[in-house]
Amino acid sequence: DTAVSQTPKYLVTQMGNDKSIKCEQNLGHDTMYWYKQDSKKFLKIMFSYNNKELIINETVPNRFSPKSPDKAHLNLHINSLELGDSAVYFCASSVGTSRGYEQYFGPGTRLTVT
Amino acid sequence: GQQVMQIPQYQHVQEGEDFTTYCNSSTTLSNIQWYKQRPGGHPVFLIQLVKSGEVKKQKRLTFQFGEAKKNSSLHITATQTTDVGTYFCAGDFGNEKLTFGTGTRLTIIP
Repeated sequence: DTAVSQTPKYLVTQMGNDKSIKCEQNLGHDTMYWYKQDSKKFLKIMFSYNNKELIINETVPNRFSPKSPDKAHLNLHINSLELGDSAVYFCASSVGTSRGYEQYFGPGTRLTVT
Repeated sequence: GQQVMQIPQYQHVQEGEDFTTYCNSSTTLSNIQWYKQRPGGHPVFLIQLVKSGEVKKQKRLTFQFGEAKKNSSLHITATQTTDVGTYFCAGDFGNEKLTFGTGTRLTIIP
């Protein structure tokens, strides 16, 4: 059983398009995250949700809109894709937002914008 | 802002040699976690350090948390090819998120 799953694994699209990435966790965790990892491997948090409520919204363009229909799912919709959006996007989950909880990462979605 | 820096950015070692990566924070941390990401994979949790001066071992891996809780290190003894990957520290500043370090990419020369 996959703890944190993401779809799709690969996404190739053209500039200007709109795309979505889906994430699901079966760990019963309350908190879910979206991270962006660029070509230099820097891992930056974008958003976090706790029990479907937005907790963290880093300096991310408005073109990125997360949605959490329930605490097991966190989706990411991206409008008007740009070349700079090309990266690997990781979903992660943890028991809670309080200090000390390890994060479980999904396999990642490699987004390529042409 | 709160930042976590790691050095070195890259490390190439002969198989069997030791490896160390260092992590430094601009401010005091609540705790620090370490993750490993294999090539093409996703970050996987290794360990968490909470107490000042804490030292933890996992087989050939030794993790330390500085006395001031602003720095940490990961030392691998006698590296093996399975150790290849990028090692990240991730600092908790008590703000409901982890701030990941810049990572150290380890390659092993057989």
